Amino acid sequence: EAGVAQSPRYKIIEKRQSVAFWCNPISGHATLYWYQQILGQGPKLLIQFQNNGVVDDSQLPKDRFSAERLKGVDSTLKIQPAKLEDSAVYLCASSLELAGVDTQYFGPGTRLTVL
Amino acid sequence: GESVGLHLPTLSVQEGDNSIINCAYSNSASDYFIWYKQESGKGPQFIIDIRSNMDKRQGQRVTVLLNKTVKHLSLQIAATQPGDSAVYFCAEYGWGKLQFGAGTQVVVTP
Repeated sequence: EAGVAQSPRYKIIEKRQSVAFWCNPISGHATLYWYQQILGQGPKLLIQFQNNGVVDDSQLPKDRFSAERLKGVDSTLKIQPAKLEDSAVYLCASSLELAGVDTQYFGPGTRLTVL
Repeated sequence: GESVGLHLPTLSVQEGDNSIINCAYSNSASDYFIWYKQESGKGPQFIIDIRSNMDKRQGQRVTVLLNKTVKHLSLQIAATQPGDSAVYFCAEYGWGKLQFGAGTQVVVTP
């Protein structure tokens, strides 16, 4: 079974520029998550989708971050404009069902460096 | 253990010895706990989970212990191997989302 796919793997941009990340979850997984992982810390949830609807975006900085999951499969996360403190690894995860107790499977992440 | 900024707690263990990684969680209402392993350049990988109605659960070479009285979770790895070198995170499901601890770096020495 193929895992969660993410691209690009690395991205370097200057502050105030825009960037977008892409995620393809495991086939058949209804729930998709985006996490931000700052160096030396555990992942922090940014947004959770159930199919193509948002379940939780309470920790998403909505003034600069946006995410969508059209058609309930692939998802994109965008940052516009980027700040220095956005430098982190952005992880996508998916799980089979909505229930949070279902195992989440993570992709390899996109490492973002903002200069 | 707790980490501050970039300074992850580190556990150095000799190959073949048993490892014990500890974690304190914060929400007494959390009912599900998971241990993840994260190797350099990769996403977290599920190791083992435990429900709050259990005290102990065993997997292949791993055991998770849950002490709800003191809100403490531990992961025991038997016969630690070089491939076990990674950062280990405990996570609790509470307040409707999975919340990760700070992580412990495990270094396996020959």
